[in-house]
Amino acid sequence: AQSVTQPDARVTVSEGASLQLRCKYSSSGTPYLFWYVQYPRQGLQLLLKYYSGDPVVQGVNGFEAEFSKSNSSFHLRKASVHWSDSAVYFCVLSHLNQGGSAKLIFGEGTKLTVSS
Amino acid sequence: NAGVIQTPRHKVTGKGQEATLWCEPISGHSAVFWYRQTIVQGLEFLTYFRNQAPIDDSGMPKERFSAQMPNQSHSTLKIQSTQPQDSAVYLCASSLRGNTGQLYFGEGSKLTVL
Repeated sequence: AQSVTQPDARVTVSEGASLQLRCKYSSSGTPYLFWYVQYPRQGLQLLLKYYSGDPVVQGVNGFEAEFSKSNSSFHLRKASVHWSDSAVYFCVLSHLNQGGSAKLIFGEGTKLTVSS
Repeated sequence: NAGVIQTPRHKVTGKGQEATLWCEPISGHSAVFWYRQTIVQGLEFLTYFRNQAPIDDSGMPKERFSAQMPNQSHSTLKIQSTQPQDSAVYLCASSLRGNTGQLYFGEGSKLTVL
């Protein structure tokens, strides 16, 4: 069975501090992993994606994520957060073309609050 | 280029009534996805079209829910005999090819069933 778990429902960090949002996945095939962000009153937006290769992938706005097959994890990081990073972050799993469907499986989401 | 457009943004129906939600994908995108978002269940996949053909409807409730894509410029999600548990934000997304994982989401249609 495919699943994604984000163990932290809410995270609060101070502006300028570093950030790590955790994500664990379960997959029977080759996982394709993503982080999406949902800002208040806006649609979901793709932050970054991992298909294969270098386990550290860069995304928009200074975000990066590291894939670990041994730990079944895909944690999101940012060196210094800004108040505008406050949003809900979703870790997402897909098997894309395997089996014909490209549906995305979303984690529960982590609500990030950046305090000043 | 306009993003994914969903209408209506808000819809209130009475129990037992029908609700139809519309989605206009980004021009040139060949794949359209429907998701449902609730506080309790989070984001749930409903269905997926590619080049207007239904590819995967494994997330659609077997009764009362149907989705169509009659042309490349719009898709509809219809819920018959709505129930309070259908209350949710219904999200439509489109993708250039459907197999990249890069989806562009609309702002959603919030359905409230009284």
